Amino acid sequence: EAQVTQNPRYLITVTGKKLTVTCSQNMNHEYMSWYRQDPGLGLRQIYYSMNVEVTDKGDVPEGYKVSRKEKRNFPLILESPSPNQTSLYFCASSSLTGNHYGYTFGSGTRLTVV
Amino acid sequence: RKEVEQDPGPFNVPEGATVAFNCTYSNSASQSFFWYRQDCRKEPKLLMSVYSSGNEDGRFTAQLNRASQYISLLIRDSKLSDSATYLCVVTLSGSARQLTFGSGTQLTVLP
Repeated sequence: EAQVTQNPRYLITVTGKKLTVTCSQNMNHEYMSWYRQDPGLGLRQIYYSMNVEVTDKGDVPEGYKVSRKEKRNFPLILESPSPNQTSLYFCASSSLTGNHYGYTFGSGTRLTVV
Repeated sequence: RKEVEQDPGPFNVPEGATVAFNCTYSNSASQSFFWYRQDCRKEPKLLMSVYSSGNEDGRFTAQLNRASQYISLLIRDSKLSDSATYLCVVTLSGSARQLTFGSGTQLTVLP
């Protein structure tokens, strides 16, 4: 089954403790992206990647890091999480060929930083 | 001003009703337009693309007015299963996969 897999689904952590949210897709998509979703603000892009070793900042990159060492994986790293990073996070992927712009999203990671 | 603006609702409608959502976008260079559906606490899923000539998919009709920078979604004969948040999404010219999301319109279809 074609899918984007995120882990964990739920995470509660303390301020300053480094964490990584994993994202993996099995569709050989070139494009991958991370979003956060907060009430009233919609989905805001954190980072994106057009291909292996190619990453770029989205609209709200502060406090986050990413890497794209393999095509299928795009982990999101919070080196020193803070309470304002409490949010619902989605990973998404898309093919860069053709005219179809549909994203496939992961099931989301609900992060709470206390 | 937000790049993509939607009425947050909530819209509460009886089963069988027709409901319309509107969305405006601020950047005239916007190139492609979509409606996504998001169920509570779940991931967004593509509902339909929006074409300049307007397009229909079953009970759903999407329209685009480039001059007014306005997108609409019409749902006819609402079902209980249509209850969700509907996200208006645009891409900018030259930004092949950069989607900008509206904050969504919440719909509840009541029995």
